[in-house]
Amino acid sequence: QQQVKQSPQSLIVQKGGIPIINCAYENTAFDYFPWYQQFPGKGPALLIAIRPDVSEKKEGRFTISFNKSAKQFSLHIMDSQPGDSATYFCAASRTGTYKYIFGTGTRLKVLA
Amino acid sequence: DTEVTQTPKHLVMGMTNKKSLKCEQHMGHRAMYWYKQKAKKPPELMFVYSYEKLSINESVPSRFSPECPNSSLLNLHLHALQPEDSALYLCASSRDSTGPEKLFFGSGTQLSVL
Repeated sequence: QQQVKQSPQSLIVQKGGIPIINCAYENTAFDYFPWYQQFPGKGPALLIAIRPDVSEKKEGRFTISFNKSAKQFSLHIMDSQPGDSATYFCAASRTGTYKYIFGTGTRLKVLA
Repeated sequence: DTEVTQTPKHLVMGMTNKKSLKCEQHMGHRAMYWYKQKAKKPPELMFVYSYEKLSINESVPSRFSPECPNSSLLNLHLHALQPEDSALYLCASSRDSTGPEKLFFGSGTQLSVL
């Protein structure tokens, strides 16, 4: 019940495409859902996060869609660029804890 | 300053060595974390300090010993490690302990145990 399932494991898109990464969770107590981007040799960096009281959040080219009833959320990257090539982790957490449950990661490659 | 600084960036040590990893932040954050990350895997929580007190130990072997000398510094002391402990060790911080909060990660220390 503590797992966050992430798919796909890897993804290749052409420049300008819209890669979509999906995550699903079981624990309805989770109330914070961030996405992290990680480049090789670097630590993860927060991209965007959402709470379950909204169904969509957009920051620049990154959009989170959230479906509370299905217990799923996804990351969309608009107009993807080669510089977006990285590993993306979804995560889930709940108020009052320090623990983030991370998804297994998606390695994205954007071709020039 | 929104950085978490970790030193060293790379470390190679033998199984009988003692070494320390260091982490520093000047954002006024009161929660600090150590994570371990194996290649192609997500970060795994090891320890959490809240207001300079150890709050969470995720059943980490005693060969890893954390220390929080003050609110800006976090150390991880390493002793008698095993080759399977080779990994990227990430420090992170967040604003306070009420959670959940944005985690700021450092770039990590790539540790190799020979």
